Amino acid sequence: AAGVIQSPRHLIKEKRETATLKCYPIPRHDTVYWYQQGPGQDPQFLISFYEKMQSDKGSIPDRFSAQQFSDYHSELNMSSLELGDSALYFCASSLVAAPTEAFFGQGTRLTVV
Amino acid sequence: GNSVTQMEGPVTLSEEAFLTINCTYTATGYPSLFWYVQYPGEGLQLLLKATKADDKGSNKGFEATYRKETTSFHLEKGSVQVSDSAVYFCALRGQAGTALIFGKGTTLSVSS
Repeated sequence: AAGVIQSPRHLIKEKRETATLKCYPIPRHDTVYWYQQGPGQDPQFLISFYEKMQSDKGSIPDRFSAQQFSDYHSELNMSSLELGDSALYFCASSLVAAPTEAFFGQGTRLTVV
Repeated sequence: GNSVTQMEGPVTLSEEAFLTINCTYTATGYPSLFWYVQYPGEGLQLLLKATKADDKGSNKGFEATYRKETTSFHLEKGSVQVSDSAVYFCALRGQAGTALIFGKGTTLSVSS
């Protein structure tokens, strides 16, 4: 079965650079979530989208923005990168109409040097 | 607000030992509860879930029962294997479509 696809899997950037992470949800899933997991930490919710509209906002820094496109894929844009942004970034998708779990992608490991 | 508290690790066990990882939650209404597992260098995989009180989720020998009276969802396995070594996260979702809230994670290390 198709799963959540994230790209790239690994990314190395320098401080103050920008990065764009992509997420392709499971087909027909209408909701996308972004999480950030620092080393040894639990995943922290950043932002979510339902039907291309922002549906919820968590601890997303102002330097980050995200959107969901007409094909339901989502992109997380990160600017003015800081060393502390180094983390594993997960995308998850689900169907808002069904009280089911969210399915997670493999994550993008971002390293800021 | 909603929150999840799980026992801190690491938990170190010998193969075939009994496993319990405690998880309690705070939430309004009737949340859905989940256990996710993360193997080294991997993403989060759903291990099991329960969507209403007294439901028992089970998968791969792991079980957890949704206890509303004690607001708990403890993970158990009767006989762990080396391959079960991973980080386990308890999580809840308050309402359909809202984001998952995770506990801090518990690292399990099983030795042969």
